[in-house]
Amino acid sequence: EAQVTQNPRYLITVTGKKLTVTCSQNMNHEYMSWYRQDPGLGLRQIYYSMNVEVTDKGDVPEGYKVSRKEKRNFPLILESPSPNQTSLYFCASSLWGGELFFGEGSRLTVL
Amino acid sequence: AQSVTQLGSHVSVSEGALVLLRCNYSSSVPPYLFWYVQYPNQGLQLLLKYTTGATLVKGINGFEAEFKKSETSFHLTKPSAHMSDAAEYFCAVSDSGGGADGLTFGKGTHLIIQP
Repeated sequence: EAQVTQNPRYLITVTGKKLTVTCSQNMNHEYMSWYRQDPGLGLRQIYYSMNVEVTDKGDVPEGYKVSRKEKRNFPLILESPSPNQTSLYFCASSLWGGELFFGEGSRLTVL
Repeated sequence: AQSVTQLGSHVSVSEGALVLLRCNYSSSVPPYLFWYVQYPNQGLQLLLKYTTGATLVKGINGFEAEFKKSETSFHLTKPSAHMSDAAEYFCAVSDSGGGADGLTFGKGTHLIIQP
């Protein structure tokens, strides 16, 4: 089954404790992206990757890091999480010119 | 730069009534337009998209949208609402032809279906 898998789905952590949200897709997509969703703000892009070892900033990259060492994986790293990073995060992937497929989301709470 | 405005953060309709969710866009190039739906506790899934050609686009679950260049609009409609349509709907615009790089989302409209 074609899918984008995110883990963890739910996480509560404390300020400053490094965490990683993993994202994996099994569709051999070149393009992958991370979004955060906040009430009243819609989806905002954090980082995206056009292929292995190629990443670029989206609209709200501050406080986040990403890497793309393998085509299927695109982890989102929060080196020192802060409460303003409490949000619902989505990973997505697509072929060039194709439909964007989303994961089911990761709800992060930073205390 | 491209942008999307969805009129109404919440829209409430009765079951069986017409659903109309409004979306206006701005784009410096011919746009590619999308509607996504998000059911509770799920990711987004594509409802329909306009790339080129016919301006009336049909999607899944009985939804359709019409691209009106003169009005810079891409409103989503469904003739008869069903309880299962309750969800968050996002309009999005791209200038790059697809779901990859350059997709800008609106802030979303929460559709409420009254029994």
